[in-house]
Amino acid sequence: EAGVAQSPRYKIIEKRQSVAFWCNPISGHATLYWYQQILGQGPKLLIQFQNNGVVDDSQLPKDRFSAERLKGVDSTLKIQPAKLEDSAVYLCASSLDRASHVFGSGTRLTVV
Amino acid sequence: QQPVQSPQAVILREGEDAVINCSSSKALYSVHWYRQKHGEAPVFLMILLKGGEQKGHEKISASFNEKKQQSSLYLTASQLSYSGTYFCGTADGSSNTGKLIFGQGTTLQVKP
Repeated sequence: EAGVAQSPRYKIIEKRQSVAFWCNPISGHATLYWYQQILGQGPKLLIQFQNNGVVDDSQLPKDRFSAERLKGVDSTLKIQPAKLEDSAVYLCASSLDRASHVFGSGTRLTVV
Repeated sequence: QQPVQSPQAVILREGEDAVINCSSSKALYSVHWYRQKHGEAPVFLMILLKGGEQKGHEKISASFNEKKQQSSLYLTASQLSYSGTYFCGTADGSSNTGKLIFGQGTTLQVKP
């Protein structure tokens, strides 16, 4: 079975620029998550989708972050404008029946 | 509330045993365990549901004490491949929403 696909793998941008990340979950997985993992820390949930609806976005900095999951499959996460503290790995995960997460390889973002 | 993991780091020789603990201040529905190798995505190990059950396969097992809101991961006769950072992810409450809060991680290094 194909895994969770994410792109790009790496991204370097200057502060105040915008950036977008893409995720394609495992086929049939209704739940999709975006996590932010700062170096040396555990993943922190940014947003959780069930099909194309938002279940939880309480930790998403909505003044600069946005996410969508049109048609309940692929998802994009956008940051605009980026700050230095946004430097992190952005992990996408999906799950069947809200059980175990299958993570993608992540996008490593560096804001300079 | 983020669960607390202990110890923060462990160094073992091949064949030695290790225990990693995860404690929460909230009532838990389930505890998930993941292992992440450097530069890679977290990989699911196991999930424990409330009820005090113990799960495991081969030489990695875990327990969940619902009353104490604690879980422990047991690594028996460790192998070099066990090296990595172990995260517990906790799901609060009385039902499965799919949302996980991850601990800060325990780094395990197994030496020959």
